[in-house]
Amino acid sequence: AQSVTQLDSHVSVSEGTPVLLRCNYSSSYSPSLFWYVQHPNKGLQLLLKYTSAATLVKGINGFEAEFKKSETSFHLTKPSAHMSDAAEYFCVVSDQGGSYIPTFGRGTSLIVHP
Amino acid sequence: SQTIHQWPATLVQPVGSPLSLECTVEGTSNPNLYWYRQAAGRGLQLLFYSVGIGQISSEVPQNLSASRPQDRQFILSSKKLLLSDSGFYLCAWRDRENSPLHFGNGTRLTVT
Repeated sequence: AQSVTQLDSHVSVSEGTPVLLRCNYSSSYSPSLFWYVQHPNKGLQLLLKYTSAATLVKGINGFEAEFKKSETSFHLTKPSAHMSDAAEYFCVVSDQGGSYIPTFGRGTSLIVHP
Repeated sequence: SQTIHQWPATLVQPVGSPLSLECTVEGTSNPNLYWYRQAAGRGLQLLFYSVGIGQISSEVPQNLSASRPQDRQFILSSKKLLLSDSGFYLCAWRDRENSPLHFGNGTRLTVT
């Protein structure tokens, strides 16, 4: 069965420094992978998606993620954090073994200090 | 363009009262529809999904039910709310398998 693990429940950075949010996945098929962002009391917004095309995926707001099959990872990065990036981030995996029902990670809370 | 509407935004209900949360999608046809619940500080739990009118799949047996009376309408219901039903409820849609989910703004339910 597909699964996803977000390795950090909280990540704290200073404004202007790089962001790294880590995600490992498990899938017996060719997975699709997604990152979502959720601001307080809001719905989730899609940041980016990987669906077996280019392994380096660029998303909105300067975020990008790299699909590494050998490491079963899909880490989210951003070169320079902004205060508005403070939010909850979810990594999601979907594959045919799970009938394409998305499986969500437990989330990583990104804290940005001024 | 497609939009998703979810209401109400907040709701406070006493234990034992009924519940009805509604979600509608505009600008697309035959979407796959989903209800998720998010407890405080936790990830998302899939409650129900639907791939067509009248077709409901339940992921977690509990005090809730779902219905899809029209193509782009998805309703989450309960006959008698429990304290444990409190949480943030999110509706989502996508147009086909393996495409990204698009979420509504959520309903904050507090059962007192």
